[in-house]
Amino acid sequence: KAGVTQTPRYLIKTRGQQVTLSCSPISGHRSVSWYQQTPGQGLQFLFEYFSETQRNKGNFPGRFSGRQFSNSRSEMNVSTLELGDSALYLCASSFRGDSQETQYFGPGTRLLVL
Amino acid sequence: GENVEQHPSTLSVQEGDSAVIKCTYSDSASNYFPWYKQELGKGPQLIIDIRSNVGEKKDQRIAVTLNKTAKHFSLHITETQPEDSAVYFCAASIGAYSGGGADGLTFGKGTHLIIQP
Repeated sequence: KAGVTQTPRYLIKTRGQQVTLSCSPISGHRSVSWYQQTPGQGLQFLFEYFSETQRNKGNFPGRFSGRQFSNSRSEMNVSTLELGDSALYLCASSFRGDSQETQYFGPGTRLLVL
Repeated sequence: GENVEQHPSTLSVQEGDSAVIKCTYSDSASNYFPWYKQELGKGPQLIIDIRSNVGEKKDQRIAVTLNKTAKHFSLHITETQPEDSAVYFCAASIGAYSGGGADGLTFGKGTHLIIQP
């Protein structure tokens, strides 16, 4: 079974631009979570989607948004990019999204904001 | 919210020796504790997890222990090998109650494990 895939793998943007990242979960998984990883803050939870609905959101500004499609694929969008948004963005999928389920991570999208 | 502290930040051990990484959590409602291994250029990969109704779990050279009273859990790797070199993260999450929803994993800051040949 194919793992979680994320596109693109690398991205360079300038301040003020917006960016859209994509995540395809493992086949059959309906929950997709997004995390931001930086050297200073570590791994931080952004939000989680299940059946096209956002169920939980971490402590990030409204510039960070996401959506999920009927095939469970998910996108996240960051508007008005800031230098501090440079990070590795990881998505993880699980079958139901229960907190005790294993979450399987993708390789991430590395975003550099100049 | 939940807070997870992880120690040490860097751990260097001789090949064949054991490595221990420790984490503490703050929210007594947390009941799921996974450990992830992250290699350079890759996403975190689950290596073992434990739920709060279990005190210890072992999978070959890897074991995890959980002390709910003290709110800490530890990863033990025995007979370390060069391929064990990576960054290890502990995490905690609160189980889904009625209404469901993944509350998200709260991660420790990571331990860079270095296996010296």
